[in-house]
Amino acid sequence: EAQVTQNPRYLITVTGKKLTVTCSQNMNHEYMSWYRQDPGLGLRQIYYSMNVEVTDKGDVPEGYKVSRKEKRNFPLILESPSPNQTSLYFCASSFGTEPDTQYFGPGTRLTVL
Amino acid sequence: QKEVEQNSGPLSVPEGAIASLNCTYSDRVSQSFFWYRQYSGKSPELIMSIYSNGDKEDGRFTAQLNKASQYVSLLIRDSQPSDSATYLCAVSKAAGNKLTFGGGTRVLVKP
Repeated sequence: EAQVTQNPRYLITVTGKKLTVTCSQNMNHEYMSWYRQDPGLGLRQIYYSMNVEVTDKGDVPEGYKVSRKEKRNFPLILESPSPNQTSLYFCASSFGTEPDTQYFGPGTRLTVL
Repeated sequence: QKEVEQNSGPLSVPEGAIASLNCTYSDRVSQSFFWYRQYSGKSPELIMSIYSNGDKEDGRFTAQLNKASQYVSLLIRDSQPSDSATYLCAVSKAAGNKLTFGGGTRVLVKP
């Protein structure tokens, strides 16, 4: 089954404790992206990647890191999480190098205390 | 001014009626336009994409694009209670790779 998976789905952590949210897709998509969704602010792009070893900042990259060492995986790293990073995070992927039809993962709800 | 703007709603529509959703964008070089549907607690799913001026129909959904006026709309004909969701408009720029979403319009279809 074609899908985008994210882990964990739910995470409660404390300020400053490094964490990684994994994202994996099995559709051989070039384009992958991370978004955060907050009430009243909608979906905002954090980082995107057009292919292996090619990443770029979206609209809200501060406090986040990403890597794309393999085509299928695009982890999101929070080196020192803060409460303002409490949010619902979505990973998405699409065929090609532009954000065409994107397939979204199920989401990761992160709470930083 | 936000790059992509939508009325947050809720847009209340009787079952069987037409729901009309609007989205405006600020960057004239925007090239690709998308409508996503998001049920509460779920991830967004693509309904329509449109790239050129005019109408594009897919089942009960019609997307309309007017680049001169910088707006894109979505019509939902014969609205059903299962159409109750938040509809997100998204825009990407010409030869660009960033995708910008509007805040979404919440639609409620009442039986």
